[in-house]
Amino acid sequence: DIVMTQSPDSLAVSLGERATINCKSSQSVLHSSNDKNYLAWYQQKPGQPPKLLIYGASTRESGVPDRVSGSGSGTDFTLTISSLQAEDVAVYYCQQYYSSPQITFGQGTRLEIK
Amino acid sequence: QVQLVQSGAEVKKPGSSVKVSCKASGGTFSSYAISWVRQAPGQGLEWMGRIIPVLGTANYAQKFQGRVSITADESTYTAYMELSSLRSEDTAVYYCARERIQLWSQHYYYYMDVWGKGATVTVSS
Repeated sequence: DIVMTQSPDSLAVSLGERATINCKSSQSVLHSSNDKNYLAWYQQKPGQPPKLLIYGASTRESGVPDRVSGSGSGTDFTLTISSLQAEDVAVYYCQQYYSSPQITFGQGTRLEIK
Repeated sequence: QVQLVQSGAEVKKPGSSVKVSCKASGGTFSSYAISWVRQAPGQGLEWMGRIIPVLGTANYAQKFQGRVSITADESTYTAYMELSSLRSEDTAVYYCARERIQLWSQHYYYYMDVWGKGATVTVSS
């Protein structure tokens, strides 16, 4: 199985500041033949189901604010929130789907307001 | 916009089985897959398996092989997840999620774009 490791486990950022969450896969999730990374990011607010933010490592899902962005390739990925808002408080998960049908999630990163 | 409506909370005895349903309202899932993901209290997300109605196949995480069965009734746009031999560690919120299917190089890839609200399953004697 591909193991996904996120860092940090938790993060406190001031309102309006940048938040950065990292995700590392135990093997590459880049398909060399089409140059696509099979990596998604989800946001889960308390008491709610997860919500898709990013797929293909950097494609923002419809309706996701443009202050949220994904980057990276191969084994190292980053989710960035450029200017933290109160509604961004949540747990964020990365997920690889390169090894589909088997998929795996990172352990999650808790984002709070400092 | 499709919504996934899940069945209600369940309380089960150890050793019994539970069957959770997930109905797609406002759309179909014929060109998508439906996955099941669980979340134990205070823990992360754990993928259990999926059904791909258009292919008529199911995939399961190795951890749950032989203990989980995922089926779908296309006529009612409803997917089901049945977990047997329940133990206390199976206490969790069980989510269904619609998956987009990407085909590349004769291989299918899946990621989740719409989630149900979850069904709480409590296993207790």
